[in-house]
Formats: sequence, structure tokens, C-alpha cells
Amino acid sequence: AQSVTQLDSHVSVSEGTPVLLRCNYSSSYSPSLFWYVQHPNKGLQLLLKYTSAATLVKGINGFEAEFKKSETSFHLTKPSAHMSDAAEYFCVVSDLGNDMRFGAGTRLTVKP
Amino acid sequence: DGGITQSPKYLFRKEGQNVTLSCEQNLNHDAMYWYRQDPGQGLRLIYYSQIVNDFQKGDIAEGYSVSREKKESFPLTVTSAQKNPTAFYLCASSIVTGIHYGYTFGSGTRLTVV
Repeated sequence: AQSVTQLDSHVSVSEGTPVLLRCNYSSSYSPSLFWYVQHPNKGLQLLLKYTSAATLVKGINGFEAEFKKSETSFHLTKPSAHMSDAAEYFCVVSDLGNDMRFGAGTRLTVKP
Repeated sequence: DGGITQSPKYLFRKEGQNVTLSCEQNLNHDAMYWYRQDPGQGLRLIYYSQIVNDFQKGDIAEGYSVSREKKESFPLTVTSAQKNPTAFYLCASSIVTGIHYGYTFGSGTRLTVV
């Protein structure tokens, strides 16, 4: 069965500095991988997804992630943090079918 | 615009009372899901349905029930058997294909026991 581990429960950065949110996955097959963002008391919004095409995936709001099979990682990055990026971020893995497994989430704080 | 609508946004339940959370989608998605979210625990799957009149238990189905009488609707009932129902509940939907394109989420319902 697939699983995902988000390595940091909380990340704090200053506005204008790079963001790195780390995600490792476990999968028996070629997985699909996703990053979602959640602002307080809101639903989850899809940031980007990897489905066996290009390993570097670009998403919305300047975020991107790189699929590294040898490291079983799918880390989320952004070159320059903005105050509006403060939110909870979820890494998600899916094997066959539609079964999605969510990480526990990483809370991103952006300091002025 | 297509999307998922959850209602109500906030819901208060008295001890021993059943309450029903609504989830409607107009995306023509086959599959629908209910998740429970508690602080620091991510999302946990309650029930899911991939076709009308059929649904499956997720990881934490005890104390909950669902129905799928129409493709567009997947209501969740939190019964009195659920001992700790205070949480944020999220509904999602997806296309059922060989490649997973991800879920579309509703904006959630926050349930509080009073």
C-alpha cells in the first residue's frame, strides 16, 4: 500500500526567501503525486500533480516540485515566499485506481 | 461554474443527535469521498463511492453513514454513535479513470458538539 511522509510539521520562512516543503513517498507501483494547499477553514486546492510525464512539475502561484524516483521524494519549492503563501500544505500519493493517501501536512508560516 | 458545494459551513450538534452534512457536485464526476480533518492528523477517509447506489467504508467509518442515490449527491450522516464528532469535514470528487487526476474538494463543514 502507498504512503507518504511529510518531513516537517511546520516550516517558517521570511517573505522573499525560498520555500522548501519536503515529502517522501512509498509506493509499489508508478505513483501519481500531488501537492494541495489549504487556507484556514477552507477546502483543499490543487497546486500541482505528477502523473508519469515530466519529472519537474510546475504548478500555480510559482510553486514547483520534482519527482525523484531514486530518492522516493517529491519536494515542493518556491523561489520567493509571499505572505499569501502562509497555509497548510499536503503531499498526496496515489497508486492504482483512485485511492489517495494524504500526508499529515506542513504548516507554512511567512514572516514579514 | 462547476464545483462541489458543501452545506452548511458551520453546524452545531447536541449530544445524542444525528446530523446530516450535504455534498453536491456538478462536475459529472463518478467518485465522491468524505474526509475528516483534525488538527495535526491530516485527512482521514470516512466513506467513498465510485458509482451510484454503491459505497465503501474508509479508515474511520464507525459512527457515520452515507447514501449515493444520485450521481451529484453524497450526504454524510454523523450519528450519535460517533463519540467525538467535532471536526472539519471535507467532501471531494474525482473522475474514475486509469490515470489519477486528483480530487476536487468542497469548502468544508465545521461540526461542533455543544
